[in-house]
Amino acid sequence: AQSVAQPEDQVNVAEGNPLTVKCTYSVSGNPYLFWYVQYPNRGLQFLLKYITGDNLVKGSYGFEAEFNKSQTSFHLKKPSALVSDSALYFCAVAGTGGFKTIFGAGTRLFVKA
Amino acid sequence: GAVVSQHPSRVICKSGTSVKIECRSLDFQATTMFWYRQFPKKSLMLMATSNEGSKATYEQGVEKDKFLINHASLTLSTLTVTSAHPEDSSFYICSASGRDRGTDTQYFGPGTRLTVL
Repeated sequence: AQSVAQPEDQVNVAEGNPLTVKCTYSVSGNPYLFWYVQYPNRGLQFLLKYITGDNLVKGSYGFEAEFNKSQTSFHLKKPSALVSDSALYFCAVAGTGGFKTIFGAGTRLFVKA
Repeated sequence: GAVVSQHPSRVICKSGTSVKIECRSLDFQATTMFWYRQFPKKSLMLMATSNEGSKATYEQGVEKDKFLINHASLTLSTLTVTSAHPEDSSFYICSASGRDRGTDTQYFGPGTRLTVL
């Protein structure tokens, strides 16, 4: 069975500092990995995905994520955080074919000015 | 990215009434649509998956007679909450995927806040 874990309920970071939001996964076969962001009372916005290819994936708004197969991780990163990055971030995993996507519990990111 | 709309964004109804929520893909053909429910400070719970022209596949524990899903066209899916009760109050989010946007990526609607009095 596939699963995804986001070990941190909340991440606090100062504006201008680098940020990391952690995600680990478990899936049989080659994983399809995604990051989404949700602002208050809104749906989810797609940030980036890893299907195959380079382990470092670049996405929207300056975010990137690194696929690490040995550690089964797909951490979200940004070199310099903005206050406007404050939101709820979801990691998601799907099995081969991209079907039946499972979402993590979400990590709330607070960026202080 | 692809655009998915939901209507209404908010709805308040009395207990026992039915509520219909529409999900539309505005700029692509959505061969598959998903319906999620999100509880406060919780992740998304997949309720059902629907393919255009087929019956929806419901997740375990989701009552298909209570949450009616119709995916009649490649741009529209509807979720009807029948005989709504206060415990059905929640944030309902749809998503869509399609061949021309990559079947592996879901594009989400803005969500519908349902409050049942």
